[in-house]
Amino acid sequence: AQTVTQSQPEMSVQEAETVTLSCTYDTSESDYYLFWYKQPPSRQMILVIRQEAYKQQNATENRFSVNFQKAAKSFSLKISDSQLGDAAMYFCAYAGGTSYGKLTFGQGTILTVHP
Amino acid sequence: DTGVSQNPRHKITKRGQNVTFRCDPISEHNRLYWYRQTLGQGPEFLTYFQNEAQLEKSRLLSDRFSAERPKGSFSTLEIQRTEQGDSAMYLCASSFQGRGEAFFGQGTRLTVV
Repeated sequence: AQTVTQSQPEMSVQEAETVTLSCTYDTSESDYYLFWYKQPPSRQMILVIRQEAYKQQNATENRFSVNFQKAAKSFSLKISDSQLGDAAMYFCAYAGGTSYGKLTFGQGTILTVHP
Repeated sequence: DTGVSQNPRHKITKRGQNVTFRCDPISEHNRLYWYRQTLGQGPEFLTYFQNEAQLEKSRLLSDRFSAERPKGSFSTLEIQRTEQGDSAMYLCASSFQGRGEAFFGQGTRLTVV
């Protein structure tokens, strides 16, 4: 079975600074996808960024980028130029190759952004 | 399109009662997923449908839980004889085909008293 571990229950960052959220995973599959989802308080989960395991290049989406270390099974999220609206619970998630929607989530990291 | 819609948003029920939740996916999405999320934890996969066929059920989905998706449109999740341990947020998500991004609803928060 696949597992996803987020070892940072809480993180904080000053507005405009950079923060990195950590995630490790375990799988025996070769075809898989990794995601970071954001869940603001009382709002629905939204996809921040995704990474296909077969791609060596790290994914980027505007201020969000990942550091994907396949051999180490590590998948961290870097948020640059943090904004107040980035404050949320962030979940790292894994999906096997046949379905993006059948996700295994980590425990989450609460991100606080200080003005 | 208004996204994935879940109703009700909140439900309080007495232990032993039956409850039913509804999820309306994005209209062109053929896959629909149910998750359960307890406070401070990540969502846990329960089950998913492709069109009207229920393709997979997690071991978390006990015999008291049943999900349907008649005609491949909306889905319902029913919990019979609710227990306090069923208190959680129940999330629905939908996607277009297997490799489409999953879009989540706002969830139904169940409290069993």
